[in-house]
Amino acid sequence: DGGITQSPKYLFRKEGQNVTLSCEQNLNHDAMYWYRQDPGQGLRLIYYSQIVNDFQKGDIAEGYSVSREKKESFPLTVTSAQKNPTAFYLCASSDRGGNQPQHFGDGTRLSIL
Amino acid sequence: AQSVTQLDSHVSVSEGTPVLLRCNYSSSYSPSLFWYVQHPNKGLQLLLKYTSAATLVKGINGFEAEFKKSETSFHLTKPSAHMSDAAEYFCVVNSYDGGTSYGKLTFGQGTILTVHP
Repeated sequence: DGGITQSPKYLFRKEGQNVTLSCEQNLNHDAMYWYRQDPGQGLRLIYYSQIVNDFQKGDIAEGYSVSREKKESFPLTVTSAQKNPTAFYLCASSDRGGNQPQHFGDGTRLSIL
Repeated sequence: AQSVTQLDSHVSVSEGTPVLLRCNYSSSYSPSLFWYVQHPNKGLQLLLKYTSAATLVKGINGFEAEFKKSETSFHLTKPSAHMSDAAEYFCVVNSYDGGTSYGKLTFGQGTILTVHP
């Protein structure tokens, strides 16, 4: 089945540590996205990529970094500069075209030790 | 600029009764509108989408929504609630200006639907 796979499902970060969240899709979508979800705040866009080797900052990019070396993969690194990283992180993908719906993975829940 | 307002943070219904989740939007361009559902600790699943075709849109699991431009609304309905409908629902707007290949999504704050036996 085609879909988006996020791993791990749960992740714990120590103070001063960088952690990387994985996102892989086999939908052959050009565009991929990372969102952060906090209770009562909906989803906020961290980074997005419309094509391989290109990505753009979203609304809350500070403390995060991404890469897009392959079409299928869009990993997100939460750096030690992100002071409040505890959240549910969602990866999505879509066909190119401004009105295409996005398809979501099942998320990674990141907590601080 | 665009925005989405989900008018109810919580909706509670009895099984077998109708569901109404309300959504108003604002957009600088002709919008595309979506409803997504999220079950606990899961990703978002697309229920339905409006992209300037028929104003009454049918989705999965018996849900439908009507686009009303004059009221800038896109309310989600279902004739008869089922226990499995209990989840959080998000109304989403995409104002694509036609100038770039990316249209930014704006998410509502979510409505939690509770279904009582």
